Parts: sequence; structure tokens; C-alpha cells
Amino acid sequence: SAVISQKPSRDICQRGTSLTIQCQVDSQVTMMFWYRQQPGQSLTLIATANQGSEATYESGFVIDKFPISRPNLTFSTLTVSNMSPEDSSIYLCSVEDGELFFGEGSRLTVL
Amino acid sequence: QKEVEQNSGPLSVPEGAIASLNCTYSDRGSQSFFWYRQYSGKSPELIMFIYSNGDKEDGRFTAQLNKASQYVSLLIRDSQPSDSATYLCAGGRDTGRRALTFGSGTRLQVQP
Repeated sequence: SAVISQKPSRDICQRGTSLTIQCQVDSQVTMMFWYRQQPGQSLTLIATANQGSEATYESGFVIDKFPISRPNLTFSTLTVSNMSPEDSSIYLCSVEDGELFFGEGSRLTVL
Repeated sequence: QKEVEQNSGPLSVPEGAIASLNCTYSDRGSQSFFWYRQYSGKSPELIMFIYSNGDKEDGRFTAQLNKASQYVSLLIRDSQPSDSATYLCAGGRDTGRRALTFGSGTRLQVQP
């Protein structure tokens, strides 16, 4: 099974700043996704990170707010831009490698 | 309208009992369904998936799918305190896992 490392695991951020979350997988995977899990809520898909092309965003999420990079088949980043307290959430990287595996998540608190 | 609905719980069962977790979905195009378990502060882990109508058993877990009723369930036999977690139901539009739509989860508490 794929092993996914995310960092930072948690951070406290100031309003208006941006933070980049990194996701590293121990094997090459075609499909990588970014999910958000707001407090007490379930997982919501933000986007599919496509290697070599622009990410595919779900309704309600835009590239300016959540720019995503996917330079190769083992790595992706998600940036949460111009953060507000409403962005306080857990952000999860996931990959499809036979199953859908999740990283441990990055818990962001925006003050 | 949520596409995948679950009762948030908590569902409380005594140790050794059968826990029954239910999920309904609105997208008739959904072809594949998954149950994930999420411990507090941890990421979700896949328990079972089911594509066809009927039952699918794996150890103490049985997933049930009824596409006509748009209903999915997870039965946990001989519930253990270690089963206490939030269980997420998810649906996908093809048999690949791809992008899944998750329910809000049901919190299960197994009382020792």
C-alpha cells in the first residue's frame, strides 16, 4: 500500500497569509487528490492533481484560492491562499493505488 | 441536498453486539461504494467496498448494497471497543476509486 507523507502536520496561521502543504508518496501514482475536512464535517474533494497539467477543481473551489502543483508522479502541493478563519480545516492528500489512501492530514488553524 | 447522507449518531452499542450503519445516496450514477473508518485525529482508512447489489462479507464486516433503494449499509458483528470511531460512507461514479463523494459520517461508540 502507498505510504503518504504530508507536511506540515499542523500549523497556526495569520489571516491573509498563505500556506503550502506538501504531499509525498513512496511510489509513483497516477491519481492524487486533495480533500478538505472542516471541523465536525466529512471530506470534501477540492481538486484532482494532474501531473503535467492544471489541476481539476470541484465546484466551489478555484485555482486562485487553492493553487496546486504536481511536478511528478510522487509529489504534489496545495497552497491555501489569503487565508481566513473559514479556511481552518484539515487538508488531506489522497492517492489511488489500488485503493484510495489518505495522508495523515494537515490541520490548519487560521486566526 | 447532500449526495450521500448518514445519520451522524452517535450510535451506541454494547460490546459483542451487531452495529448497523446506514447510508443513502441520491446520485443514481453512483456505481461503487466504500466504507471508511476514521479514528479521532486520524485519517480515514478503507474498511470495505461494494459494487454489486447484495451482501459482501469480510471478517466481522458485512456491506450491503441496494441500488433500487439507493441504500448502503455496514454491519459490524461482535463489536469491540476498538471499533469506536466515525464511519464514513462514500460513493463513486465508476468502479475506480477516483473522486469520491463522502457522507458526513456516523460516530459509533461500543460500550465495554
